[in-house]
Amino acid sequence: GENVEQHPSTLSVQEGDSAVIKCTYSDSASNYFPWYKQELGKRPQLIIDIRSNVGEKKDQRIAVTLNKTAKHFSLHITETQPEDSAVYFCAATPYGQNFVFGPGTRLSVLP
Amino acid sequence: DGGITQSPKYLFRKEGQNVTLSCEQNLNHDAMYWYRQDPGQGLRLIYYSQIVNDFQKGDIAEGYSVSREKKESFPLTVTSAQKNPTAFYLCASSSTGGMNTEAFFGQGTRLTVV
Repeated sequence: GENVEQHPSTLSVQEGDSAVIKCTYSDSASNYFPWYKQELGKRPQLIIDIRSNVGEKKDQRIAVTLNKTAKHFSLHITETQPEDSAVYFCAATPYGQNFVFGPGTRLSVLP
Repeated sequence: DGGITQSPKYLFRKEGQNVTLSCEQNLNHDAMYWYRQDPGQGLRLIYYSQIVNDFQKGDIAEGYSVSREKKESFPLTVTSAQKNPTAFYLCASSSTGGMNTEAFFGQGTRLTVV
């Protein structure tokens, strides 16, 4: 089955700097890759997703890149702000199967 | 508020008791999921259901049971067989069983064994 690894497990950046979180997956049949943000004590919420027929997607300060050959995808956050502090989860979804989540990255944006 | 509601928000259980966590969605989604989240950990799949009257075990189903009698509802029972039930439980739904669609999460139930 699908296995998703995520790095780093914790990340601290200065406000205004960029943050990058990387995920790798094992199943070449995966074709949907969402990213979720979970603030402390709250529910995970989708922030951006990418499908296998696209290499990059951007939404304001957030971007995701996908390399299907290497089986990895990354979340990029530019101009980080304190409200970006949260746990971020990546997921990979083989067609017709369930989401497989990575273990999460705790991002801290320092003022 | 996302259309998926979990209750209660906090739940306390005595050892040896069964408890049921409620999950209701009004998004007309076919698929529903239960995840367990321990402190500092990721999301582990307990059970999932892709259609009414059908459900499948996830990675950590032992000590848990579910039912899916209605499309809108997917309650989770934590039985006395679950040896370490204290955790944060998240319910989610998606429109077509994980096939390239966003999962919407409930606000979670924090279960504590006392």
